[in-house]
Amino acid sequence: NAGVTQTPKFRVLKTGQSMTLLCAQDMNHEYMYWYRQDPGMGLRLIHYSVGEGTTAKGEVPDGYNVSRLKKQNFLLGLESAAPSQTSVYFCASSIPGAKQQFFGPGTRLTVL
Amino acid sequence: GENVEQHPSTLSVQEGDSAVIKCTYSDSASNYFPWYKQELGKRPQLIIDIRSNVGEKKDQRIAVTLNKTAKHFSLHITETQPEDSAVYFCAASIAASKLTFGTGTRLQVTL
Repeated sequence: NAGVTQTPKFRVLKTGQSMTLLCAQDMNHEYMYWYRQDPGMGLRLIHYSVGEGTTAKGEVPDGYNVSRLKKQNFLLGLESAAPSQTSVYFCASSIPGAKQQFFGPGTRLTVL
Repeated sequence: GENVEQHPSTLSVQEGDSAVIKCTYSDSASNYFPWYKQELGKRPQLIIDIRSNVGEKKDQRIAVTLNKTAKHFSLHITETQPEDSAVYFCAASIAASKLTFGTGTRLQVTL
């Protein structure tokens, strides 16, 4: 099993460009999450999903959109990238309940 | 919403000594408290977790304690080794689907 994978690993964007980050998991997990990690600020939840076709806002959702069309995939979109969105983005998945979240390897995004 | 504070932000210990990292949370409804370890350039990985119906949990050199009344929980690492050097994050969960993380503690184990 690959676990949680993320595509791409690195990306550089110019201000105003758009992109989509892909998260895939092969563990049949119901729940999936997108976090951003910035120095000194830990991991902050952007959006999450508790099942196929459902999404919800986390702590820092502004400037991002998500979709969960298939159970195994969770997409994070930036419609118009801003330098403040320069960060490392982590996807995670879990089964329902207060259970361990499994993280992907991360995507390092730089917005110039 | 939930707020988690973590201290210290950096911690340096000599190999073989113990390390303690402390976290406080704001919402008394939180019931799940995991600890994650993140090595440089790697993904966070769960090292231990505790639920609100338990006061202490131990796994070899790692232990976590929870004080629900005071709303704080701590990570204890004994007999530290160089491979324990990493950033450690605490987290708290009210609803099972959302974790609120602390800001992390960079642990350096020196020889």
